[in-house]
Amino acid sequence: DVKVTQSSRYLVKRTGEKVFLECVQDMDHENMFWYRQDPGLGLRLIYFSYDVKMKEKGDIPEGYSVSREKKERFSLILESASTNQTSMYLCASSLGGVGDYGYTFGSGTRLTVV
Amino acid sequence: SQQGEEDPQALSIQEGENATMNCSYKTSINNLQWYRQNSGRGLVHLILIRSNEREKHSGRLRVTLDTSKKSSSLLITASRAADTASYFCATDEAGGGNKLTFGTGTQLKVEL
Repeated sequence: DVKVTQSSRYLVKRTGEKVFLECVQDMDHENMFWYRQDPGLGLRLIYFSYDVKMKEKGDIPEGYSVSREKKERFSLILESASTNQTSMYLCASSLGGVGDYGYTFGSGTRLTVV
Repeated sequence: SQQGEEDPQALSIQEGENATMNCSYKTSINNLQWYRQNSGRGLVHLILIRSNEREKHSGRLRVTLDTSKKSSSLLITASRAADTASYFCATDEAGGGNKLTFGTGTQLKVEL
C-alpha cells in the first residue's frame, strides 16, 4: 500500500528550539507539500517542491524552511520554534507534470511549542 | 489565501439520509477535488472533477461543478455513521501548477 509517512504523530518542543519534521513517500512522486492546519483556518500551504533540491514558498513560509535532498524525502524545519507555530502539520505528495492528480497525505504531526 | 469556502460549516444528519456540502471558489481552476479527514488524521482523496466536467460519481459520492458560478457540491447518499468526518474541497488553480488551495471544511456528523 503506497503511503506518505511522517516521522512523529505528536511532538512537544520548547520555544527557540530548532525543529525538524520529516516526511517520506514511497510512490516516486515528484511533488511534495507541507501544510499546517488550524481550527477555523483550514489547511494553509507552507512550502512545496516539484523536484529534488527545488523549493517554492507557499502562502505562509515565514519562520519555516525546507530541504529536499532526495526525491522521497521532504523535511520541514522550524528555525526557532515559537508558540504560534503550535499546529497540526500535514505532508502530502502527488505526481508531477501536466495532469489532474490528487494528493496522498501523511497522518500528520501535531506539534506543541511550549 | 483561502480559495474554497465550504457551506455549511457543520452538518448533522441521521444514518440513511443524504448529506450535501457546497464549496465556492474565486479563480479559474484546472480541477476541483474533495477530501475527507477523520478526526486528528491526514486527509484522504475522495474524488476529482475537471473544469470541463459538470458531474462525476464514485460509489455513494456525487460531485457537481458549475464553473460559471464558481461552485461545487458533494452529495453523499445513504449516509453511514462511518461517514462522520470533515470534508474539504480543494482547487487546483489554472496556472497554479498542481498546487492545491483548501477550504475550511464541513464537519459532518452522521447519527445512528
